[in-house]
Order: sequence, then structure tokens, then C-alpha cells
Amino acid sequence: AQSVTQLGSHVSVSEGALVLLRCNYSSSVPPYLFWYVQYPNQGLQLLLKYTTGATLVKGINGFEAEFKKSETSFHLTKPSAHMSDAAEYFCAVSDNNAGNMLTFGGGTRLMVKP
Amino acid sequence: KAGVTQTPRYLIKTRGQQVTLSCSPISGHRSVSWYQQTPGQGLQFLFEYFSETQRNKGNFPGRFSGRQFSNSRSEMNVSTLELGDSALYLCASSQLTTGAGELFFGEGSRLTVL
Repeated sequence: AQSVTQLGSHVSVSEGALVLLRCNYSSSVPPYLFWYVQYPNQGLQLLLKYTTGATLVKGINGFEAEFKKSETSFHLTKPSAHMSDAAEYFCAVSDNNAGNMLTFGGGTRLMVKP
Repeated sequence: KAGVTQTPRYLIKTRGQQVTLSCSPISGHRSVSWYQQTPGQGLQFLFEYFSETQRNKGNFPGRFSGRQFSNSRSEMNVSTLELGDSALYLCASSQLTTGAGELFFGEGSRLTVL
């Protein structure tokens, strides 16, 4: 069975500071990995995904993540936080044989201080 | 291009009642997935439909059911509602069924069970 662990349910950074949201996964097969963002009272929006190929993936709004197989990690980073980045972030994994059945982590709420 | 539309957005039911939620996917998307989001359990996969067939089912009791119509619109039904069914129910559509594709989420239907 797959699982996703997001370290830190709440992360607070100052505007302009580095954002680092941690995600570790377990999967018995090569996974597909995703980061989604959820703003208040909205659905989820894809930030970026890793399926195959380059392990450093770039997404929208300046976010990027690196797939590290040896560490079973897929941490999300952004060099400089903006107030508009305040939201909840979810890491997710899917089995490439299981269709669109995503297993989500518990989420990390990012707060950005002025 | 219209996004994923979920109706109703908010509803209140009492224990023992049943509820039907509706989801209209993005035009051309044939995969529809449903997720339950609660503060305690996070985001959990309910089921996925593709071409009117259920492809995957999450670990939920039989009170939770769904279906997909020939135009790809989907409904989910919860019978004999319990207090613990209070949640945000999210629908997502996708062009791909391989698990590698982006899921496009609706804004959700927020169900409160009294």
C-alpha cells in the first residue's frame, strides 16, 4: 500500500524567505508524485508533478520539487515566499497501474508573515 | 473552457437521510474521481469512474456509491447518513486514466449532517 507523510502540518515563513515543504512517500512501484495547493473554500490545483525523466520538476508560481528515490522524498521548495502563497499544500502519490486514485498526505498549511 | 462543476455547493442533512451530489467534468474528460476531505482524516479517495465503469474504489462502506453517465457527468450518493459523513466532497476530472495526468478539481460540495 502506498502512503505519504508530510512533515509539519503548519509552516510559517517570512515574506521573501525560502519555502520548504517536506514530503516522504512509500510505494511498492515507481510512483507518480504530485503537489497540489488548496486555497480557502476552493478545490485543489496542481502545482507540479513527477512521472518520469528529470528528477527536478518545475511548477507554477515559482515552485519546484526534486524526486529523490534513495530518500523516498519529494520536497517542495520556492526561493522567495510571497503573501499569496499562503494556502494548504498536499503531496500525493499514485500507482501507475491504479488509474487516478491518489493517496494524499495530511497537508501542510503555509503561513507567510509580512 | 468551463471547469469542473459540483452541485450543490452546500447542503445540510440529518442523520439517516440520503444525499446525492453531482459533478460535471471538464468537456472531453472521461475520468471522474471523488474524494472526501475532513479535518480528521484528510483527503481520502472514494471512487473513480471512466466510461461509465467504476475503475477503482476506496475503503468506504457500501453506503457510499456512485455512477457515471454517458456524457461523463457523475453522481455520488450517500445513504443512511451519519454524523461522520460531514465533509467536503471533491470531484476531479482528468483526460488520462494512467495516473500520470493532472486532476482538475471542482470547488466541492460541503455536506453537514446534523
